[in-house]
Amino acid sequence: GAVVSQHPSRVICKSGTSVKIECRSLDFQATTMFWYRQFPKQSLMLMATSNEGSKATYEQGVEKDKFLINHASLTLSTLTVTSAHPEDSSFYICSAKRPHREGADTQYFGPGTRLTVL
Amino acid sequence: KQEVTQIPAALSVPEGENLVLNCSFTDSAIYNLQWFRQDPGKGLTSLLLIQSSQREQTSGRLNASLDKSSGRSTLYIAASQPGDSATYLCAATGNQFYFGTGTSLTVIP
Repeated sequence: GAVVSQHPSRVICKSGTSVKIECRSLDFQATTMFWYRQFPKQSLMLMATSNEGSKATYEQGVEKDKFLINHASLTLSTLTVTSAHPEDSSFYICSAKRPHREGADTQYFGPGTRLTVL
Repeated sequence: KQEVTQIPAALSVPEGENLVLNCSFTDSAIYNLQWFRQDPGKGLTSLLLIQSSQREQTSGRLNASLDKSSGRSTLYIAASQPGDSATYLCAATGNQFYFGTGTSLTVIP
């Protein structure tokens, strides 16, 4: 199956710093990637849709100036958490959409990044 | 907006039991219904994907069914094993994925 990687897998940072998380589709080109956030014992919540070559589309309630998304190539999307605070501590998961000629497109999920803000 | 609910939220069973996890969704206009497994602190592992035109999919001890008209899907796990312990998430897919709240499964040896 298709592979999506995330880097780093785990990051600890001080409050006020910025953290960049990378999401890569390793064996296919993804014009669309998605960023999710998961709090402990809760389900995944879509934060934003990342479109290659254009601005990301953010879900209601997600601050676009705080969570910067860049999708500069067909295999890489980055999420930058700016001026991170302890409440930003969470598990961040990306997915990449792989188009299919027949049937619906499929998403492949990355392994996630655990962010802890001290 | 699509809402996906999973029942029960947690389940504990002895090894060897057959079990059913439930997933319900409010909008029947979906492309697919997908079941995932998530181990603690890990990402998602896709288990089964049922296309909207299909009624069920099987993989090993797992069987997933889909009834679009009633907005329900079930995941059946046969002869449960301790290694099945994890959180199981269903997702109804349209233009985006709508995830359920998850069922935390513990299989007791």
